Amino acid sequence: GAVVSQHPSWVICKSGTSVKIECRSLDFQATTMFWYRQFPKQSLMLMATSNEGSKATYEQGVEKDKFLINHASLTLSTLTVTSAHPEDSSFYICSARVAGGGHPEVFFGEGSRLTVL
Amino acid sequence: AQKITQTQPGMFVQEKEAVTLDCTYDTSDPSYGLFWYKQPSSGEMIFLIYQGSYDQQNATEGRYSLNFQKARKSANLVISASQLGDSAMYFCAMRGTNTNAGKSTFGDGTTLTVKP
Repeated sequence: GAVVSQHPSWVICKSGTSVKIECRSLDFQATTMFWYRQFPKQSLMLMATSNEGSKATYEQGVEKDKFLINHASLTLSTLTVTSAHPEDSSFYICSARVAGGGHPEVFFGEGSRLTVL
Repeated sequence: AQKITQTQPGMFVQEKEAVTLDCTYDTSDPSYGLFWYKQPSSGEMIFLIYQGSYDQQNATEGRYSLNFQKARKSANLVISASQLGDSAMYFCAMRGTNTNAGKSTFGDGTTLTVKP
């Protein structure tokens, strides 16, 4: 199946710093990517929908100025957690949608674990 | 709006036995897909099985089968011949094909523990 790669797999940062997480579709073009956040033992919650070449659409309650999303190419979307605080520590997972007809195929990245000290 | 409900926070099963993980859903989309994912402790989401809303037959993939009852809005996952490696968290998810295309809604998950 198609491969979606996230980098870094895990990151530890100090409070107040910014962290960038990359989501790449390695063998297909993804006009749309999705970013999810998952706290321990909880479900995945959609944060935002990222469309190539346009502004991301954020879910209700997600601060767009804190979680900056850029989808600059058909294979790369980035999530930047700005001025990170301990409460932002979480597992962030992206998924990429394969463009085309039929039922939309979506593939998930391996996830990125963020720990803010 | 789409909603997925998994009412079993945790389940235990003896090795080699079958287990059913429950999932009910609600949606206003006329066409949708139902998915099951396995999430081991490493965190990656492993796709297990898919059922389309218009599929007449229940989906099967090896030891996984999906008991789809559209009228009851349920999509239970059945794992046959459980193995120790099946111990993980399992998520039921839904994706629409129209305005919600590609966007996944997840249930709260069920932690499955396989006992030797």
